[in-house]
Order: sequence, then C-alpha cells, then structure tokens
Amino acid sequence: NAGVTQTPKFRILKIGQSMTLQCAQDMNHNYMYWYRQDPGMGLKLIYYSVGAGITDKGEVPNGYNVSRSTTEDFPLRLELAAPSQTSVYFCASSQPGEGEQYFGPGTRLTVT
Amino acid sequence: QQQVKQSPQSLIVQKGGIPIINCAYENTAFDYFPWYQQFPGKGPALLIAIRPDVSEKKEGRFTISFNKSAKQFSLHIMDSQPGDSATYFCAAYQGGSEKLVFGKGTKLTVNP
Repeated sequence: NAGVTQTPKFRILKIGQSMTLQCAQDMNHNYMYWYRQDPGMGLKLIYYSVGAGITDKGEVPNGYNVSRSTTEDFPLRLELAAPSQTSVYFCASSQPGEGEQYFGPGTRLTVT
Repeated sequence: QQQVKQSPQSLIVQKGGIPIINCAYENTAFDYFPWYQQFPGKGPALLIAIRPDVSEKKEGRFTISFNKSAKQFSLHIMDSQPGDSATYFCAAYQGGSEKLVFGKGTKLTVNP
C-alpha cells in the first residue's frame, strides 16, 4: 500500500494563478481531509469529506475549493492564489469511527 | 469545549533527558487521545495513543500518562535521543465524530 500520496511536492505560484493539489489514498478510507501548516504553527483544517460526493468546510476554507468524485481522490483547488496561501498542505485519510488519521508527505506551496 | 491546549510550545533537552509534553481538554466526550510525531519536511505520523479507561500506556521509550479527572494527558520520552527531535502534536477524538482536534504542537530538540 502506498498510503496517502500527494502531488506535487513543491510548487511556486504567481499571485492570481490557480492550481490543483492532488491527493490519493489506497486504503479505502471514507474520510479525507486537507490541512495547512504555516511555519512553526499547528495544523489548520481547510476542508474534509466523509465520502464521495460529500464535502464540508473546516476552519480556514476561504480561497479553496474541493471535490470528491471517488473514494480514492480528494483534490484541493486554489483559485486566484494569494501570498497568504503560502504554506505546507497535508492531505489525510481515516476510517469512520476511528481516531487515527494517516497523513501524506505534504505539498510545499509558495505564492509570490 | 472543542479545544486541546498543548504546552510547552518548544522544548530543548540534553540526550538522555526525559522531555514531557502536556495537553489538556474540556470535552469529556473525547474517548481517544493520539499523539503524532512530525519530522521536518514530513507529514505527521501516529506515534502512540490512549483511551481514557487506562492511566498509562507505554510503547518503547514513549509513555502516555492520562489523568481523566483532571482532563489532562502527557507524553514522556525516556532516554531521549537526537533522533527524537521533531514536532509532537497531541489530539483528541470523540467516537462517531468526523474530525480530530489537534493541539498546536511542541517542537522538541534533543541536543547530543
């Protein structure tokens, strides 16, 4: 099992550009999450999904969009990138009713 | 009610020392308390977890102490090594919930 995979590993965007961060898991987990982690800071939940076709906002959803068309994939879309979106983005997955989340290796995004 | 308060924010110990990281919660419905370890440039990974029906859990050099009446739990690292240098997150989970509640993290440095 590859677990949770994320692409790309690194990306530099210009202000106003858009991009999609990819996340996939092969553990057949129903729940998936997107977090951002700023330098020296904790994890902030952006969006999450409890199954295909179902998504919900976390604590910092502004400037982002998600979709969940399959159990395996949970892409995060940044529209009109801003410097405030410079961060490391982590995708995670878990099974319903379990408190363990499995994290991907992260995508380091810089917006200049 | 949904917060998990973690302290200290950073911690420096000498090799062989016993760093202790503390977390406190308010929601008595939490029933699972995992700790995550994050090395620089990597995603968080589950280290050890405890349920509130036990007061202590050991896995190798890592021990969780749990005080249900005080609504506090802590991570102890015995005989700490430079390779333990990482950021540690405590978290809390309520069965049936969709999300983990994370503490803000503690950056641990173990000097040789």
